Amino acid sequence: QSALTQPPSASGSPGQSVTVSCTGTGSDVGGYNYVSWYQQHPGKAPKLMIYEVSKRPSGVPDRFSGSKSGNTASLTVSGLQAEDEGDYYCSSYIGSNNLYVFGTGTRVTVL
Amino acid sequence: QVQLQQWGTGLLKASETLSLTCAVYGGSFRGYYWSWIRQPPGKGLEWIGEINDSGSTNYNPSLKSRVSISGDTSKSQFSLKLTSLTAADTAVYYCARSRTYFLYWGQGTLVTVSS
Repeated sequence: QSALTQPPSASGSPGQSVTVSCTGTGSDVGGYNYVSWYQQHPGKAPKLMIYEVSKRPSGVPDRFSGSKSGNTASLTVSGLQAEDEGDYYCSSYIGSNNLYVFGTGTRVTVL
Repeated sequence: QVQLQQWGTGLLKASETLSLTCAVYGGSFRGYYWSWIRQPPGKGLEWIGEINDSGSTNYNPSLKSRVSISGDTSKSQFSLKLTSLTAADTAVYYCARSRTYFLYWGQGTLVTVSS
């Protein structure tokens, strides 16, 4: 199973929005509504930000939103804040094979 | 609040076997799958495999021949063994609760494989 494709980097100024894409195939992203997104700061464990394409866990600000169209999922961070800077990874659960695949990761920089 | 605490040997030699254990506190071990995920230095995340409270396992096909995940429901713990280590297995290894997504994570253990 190949890693999902994400852009290496994305950036925006404070208060602006940034969108990170996650492209897979019909066998993973496109086949299931099981895309999740994780934020990771240096030296820390990843933190779940979005699950099942667009749901937010308790405690995650509503500035974070997720969507999917075909084989590409997207994470949008609105009203960028300094603490949003970090690495973001998407993941897809593949129900037919009971396995998970992660994206290549995107470093988000707040200018 | 669910907490995962993991431990294991951090420095190993090539051809040796990695062994890590993760304990679950503050929540039920039953009814969930429990995963291992790794991250080589400066690189992305890779799912290794998972186990549920009944002992049913799923593995990443790319690692399946070298991986074994076991569980101890009585202790709310699960363990990872990875054999025939090479330098490419050097990574931070995380345990996590899996349910089509990973909500709770362990603190991570850096495992370094020297040649």
